[in-house]
Amino acid sequence: RKEVEQDPGPFNVPEGATVAFNCTYSNSASQSFFWYRQDCRKEPKLLMSVYSSGNEDGRFTAQLNRASQYISLLIRDSKLSDSATYLCVVKPTGTASKLTFGTGTRLQVTL
Amino acid sequence: NAGVTQTPKFRVLKTGQSMTLLCAQDMNHEYMYWYRQDPGMGLRLIHYSVGEGTTAKGEVPDGYNVSRLKKQNFLLGLESAAPSQTSVYFCASSYAGTQETQYFGPGTRLLVL
Repeated sequence: RKEVEQDPGPFNVPEGATVAFNCTYSNSASQSFFWYRQDCRKEPKLLMSVYSSGNEDGRFTAQLNRASQYISLLIRDSKLSDSATYLCVVKPTGTASKLTFGTGTRLQVTL
Repeated sequence: NAGVTQTPKFRVLKTGQSMTLLCAQDMNHEYMYWYRQDPGMGLRLIHYSVGEGTTAKGEVPDGYNVSRLKKQNFLLGLESAAPSQTSVYFCASSYAGTQETQYFGPGTRLLVL
């Protein structure tokens, strides 16, 4: 079983739609969680951290469910510019600053 | 403030050739990392460094060596390139301690024939 698993997609949604991605992780002792965004042929960039109580940043909402070991990302009012691959990232306990990356979920927002 | 830069952007090698990828950061970060990204595999950590003069193995270190002689630079070497090392290589850096955001360079695309 992969340490971090994501549905690769692609998710094709019209502009203005709401879309949600889930990600599951296998290490129950993982302590930190993030969503990174990666545009085609570009480097990954931090989108947002995921906190236990859930957190929101504009149109983006991230949630963590430790009991079920999954995190989610909700994007409201999708824009064309949201088209990208979204990487679920987990920091296991006791690994300094090493991160474990999922393979990503591709989102394509269309007119 | 350039952030993280990588040299070269693209390279073609023949099997058995050697090369060095250079990563530089101007953010005074303590930690630096080398990843490779392959289709369907996600980013995998090759080697990392928690400070000048120190390096450690990551998930897929075989066939690679690294050096961190200066705080701002992290070099990745391929001693004898193999087709399996065809990949996109990303360097990243981060502050030590509780700040865990990793800042990535633009990547180096390597093709080994």
